[in-house]
Amino acid sequence: TQLLEQSPQFLSIQEGENLTVYCNSSSVFSSLQWYRQEPGEGPVLLVTVVTGGEVKKLKRLTFQFGDARKDSSLHITAAQPGDTGLYLCAGHKTGANNLFFGTGTRLTVIP
Amino acid sequence: DAGVTQSPTHLIKTRGQHVTLRCSPISGHKSVSWYQQVLGQGPQFIFQYYEKEERGRGNFPDRFSARQFPNYSSELNVNALLLGDSALYLCASSPWQGSDTQYFGPGTRLTVL
Repeated sequence: TQLLEQSPQFLSIQEGENLTVYCNSSSVFSSLQWYRQEPGEGPVLLVTVVTGGEVKKLKRLTFQFGDARKDSSLHITAAQPGDTGLYLCAGHKTGANNLFFGTGTRLTVIP
Repeated sequence: DAGVTQSPTHLIKTRGQHVTLRCSPISGHKSVSWYQQVLGQGPQFIFQYYEKEERGRGNFPDRFSARQFPNYSSELNVNALLLGDSALYLCASSPWQGSDTQYFGPGTRLTVL
């Protein structure tokens, strides 16, 4: 059973469109990370959010941590083909030694 | 600085064989974690080692084992391979136990025939 559920599972959009990926759980996390993974490579950390309600921006990417620290969203503005990849959210619980990964969202941006 | 390195990059084995995967963490990092990523899914936690001791274990059978060496590198061993063990095995390093920031290597793609 996955602690974190992501939606949508697959997303195919045209270049220039906006999109939002959701990461939901019934568990509370001390922090939440977003990673992007390309085929044949390991996940690359994009951002860590630690405070309920926190919003972080990374160029065209906006990350939000839910007030209750149970959910998060990733919004991409004006998507580009280089944004194509598998987006993974991962939660960390206080005292835990591991990350709990979401189910992943595979994004394809068509030129 | 070099990131996390893993070897080999690809491996093909047959059912019943055993396999050893290797990982070198980022210099100065003392914690190494192993994850299994089946195609189309998110990574699942297998082990964490810190200062050469096992500090966490995921829901994997005893066929999976690991160890960490004095230089903080690590090995993951899987015995009696099953078809379902085919996956990308990821190693992640972090500076200390319990850190929420983990840096991943490129992974080892294991195929069991």
